[in-house]
Amino acid sequence: DSGVTQTPKHLITATGQRVTLRCSPRSGDLSVYWYQQSLDQGLQFLIQYYNGEERAKGNILERFSAQQFPDLHSELNLSSLELGDSALYFCASSPTRASYNEQFFGPGTRLTVL
Amino acid sequence: AQSVTQLGSHVSVSEGALVLLRCNYSSSVPPYLFWYVQYPNQGLQLLLKYTSAATLVKGINGFEAEFKKSETSFHLTKPSAHMSDAAEYFCAVSDQGGKLIFGQGTELSVKP
Repeated sequence: DSGVTQTPKHLITATGQRVTLRCSPRSGDLSVYWYQQSLDQGLQFLIQYYNGEERAKGNILERFSAQQFPDLHSELNLSSLELGDSALYFCASSPTRASYNEQFFGPGTRLTVL
Repeated sequence: AQSVTQLGSHVSVSEGALVLLRCNYSSSVPPYLFWYVQYPNQGLQLLLKYTSAATLVKGINGFEAEFKKSETSFHLTKPSAHMSDAAEYFCAVSDQGGKLIFGQGTELSVKP
């Protein structure tokens, strides 16, 4: 158990819909990262938050957005869903933004868009 | 820009044989390198990391990796494979902001 929790574990929805994925980082970790894992793209970084502020963006679509709340949990919002958005979405946390820090990964949310 | 290349999307070894998973990186600054393992239907777990303290890094479950700057490599090895080592392995490099850039992954199969 990494100490990072993600809900829900599975999500099945239809094209055009909007979903919210939730992540609670390890106690004390200030950085939260979101990654997408798909068969064709592999593991890709989406976005990073540090202590409530957005710090880095990767290949995140404009239909996707995220935020980190004062209690440090984070939510990833995916809207106008397309079939290609079906993937495993991971949240990871680390104590700081330092690049030598290990990132602790949650179990992921598997999103299926029908 | 930093990048990671894992040679071989699938590697199959016999139980008790040497495991060698290859990773080459590209980085304009001294890199921080990681190996993660993903078991089926689970998240990623850190095996080991290189942060410039020592070129030979020992990790969990008997795995180790050697950082070779001249070859820009960080290959993962284990002297004797166990059935429980069957999983997907990811090499990653961290950028200055901390985000991880992953290789495509190598699926390790272990035959009895």
